[in-house]
This record gives sequence, structure tokens and C-alpha cells, in this order.
Amino acid sequence: QQPVQSPQAVILREGEDAVINCSSSKALYSVHWYRQKHGEAPVFLMILLKGGEQKGHEKISASFNEKKQQSSLYLTASQLSYSGTYFCGTGLRSNDYKLSFGAGTTVTVRA
Amino acid sequence: NAGVTQTPKFQVLKTGQSMTLQCAQDMNHEYMSWYRQDPGMGLRLIHYSVGAGITDQGEVPNGYNVSRSTTEDFPLRLLSAAPSQTSVYFCASSFQDTSGNTIYFGEGSWLTVV
Repeated sequence: QQPVQSPQAVILREGEDAVINCSSSKALYSVHWYRQKHGEAPVFLMILLKGGEQKGHEKISASFNEKKQQSSLYLTASQLSYSGTYFCGTGLRSNDYKLSFGAGTTVTVRA
Repeated sequence: NAGVTQTPKFQVLKTGQSMTLQCAQDMNHEYMSWYRQDPGMGLRLIHYSVGAGITDQGEVPNGYNVSRSTTEDFPLRLLSAAPSQTSVYFCASSFQDTSGNTIYFGEGSWLTVV
């Protein structure tokens, strides 16, 4: 079953913050975050593992709440380059290559 | 530094025609997979392989075949194309380490079935 992402879309001005959520009804081992620009392939951002720490990549960070089976992606002081569609992918086991992806959150950052 | 290479990038097929989407990776990854991406539905797994000679079905396998004769190549075959198979197809490869498994996607193949 695919994880549920919210919101579906968000519009920001440069410098504003945003939070994207990813929720699953199943017990998760890992949550993966990807960003996809229009007409391009999804690009890996970060992985969060059960029992692991919050991760960060420049001004983009993420957390994983194992009890709630929920992950949040934080876009801080957004830049124009942050525009794109963000996908979360969830894995159920440590050796699970198969991910289920959410429908995506489209982020538009305007000057 | 090619990574995951897919061909063709664009293809138009007539209903009932067959074709093969090619995928090759040069990273020696064990795991390869095919996803389709449709508006509002994210990425859905079609077929995957955990190594040469081993393939299995994903969420939406009907109408597609795969084979994995080498570590590098993982072609996707559409047996008899239908308009419902109009989509963007992504091939991916990944490996497992202590950080988890990172998936690397190809650039996508845009397929239209008329």
C-alpha cells in the first residue's frame, strides 16, 4: 500500500519554509526522499532508517517518527532550485529493495 | 559516469504492437527495477530483479515481461501495447549498504500508445 503524502502542492516565496509529510499504515523500516524536476528522473535526497537520526542535506532535512509511521521533510529558507515534486518511498524491512512511493508533493518556489 | 541508461527516450506505439525498453547500468548493482509514473499516482513498481537470472513481479506487472541475463541489463517488454500503458517508465538500480538502499533512476522513457 502506497504511503500518503501531504500536502499535494505548496507554493512558497524564496526564503520561506515548508513541511511535507509522508504517512504509512504499515510499520516502516526506512523512508526515502526524492526530488524530481519536470521532465527529469527522480534524484535521491536522503534515507531515514528505523532507529536512526534525523538527516540533513543543505537546508533540507527530514525526520522519522517510528511510532507514528510518519516522516516529515523540512525545506528551510527555500531557494528557487527547491522547486519540483518531492516523493517519499517506504521500505518495510532492512533488506527490502522494494519501495512504495507516495503520489508526490509539488513545490513551487517563486522569487 | 553513465549510471542508469534507458532507451528510447520517446516512443509512440499503435495498440497491439510490441516493443522493448532497454535499460543498462554500469554500477554493478544487484538490484534493478522498472517503475511507471502516471499523473497523481507517483511511481509504481512493475517488475524487479535481485540479480542475474532472478526476476519477480511488482505492483502492476500485467502486460509486461522482463528478463535479467546479465547484471548490467534489464529490458522491459510490452507484449501487446494498450492505451492504458501510456506512461513514463523509469528503470532503476540500487545496492544495499549500512545506510540502506539508494535507488538510482534512469532518465525515463515517455511512451504513448495510440
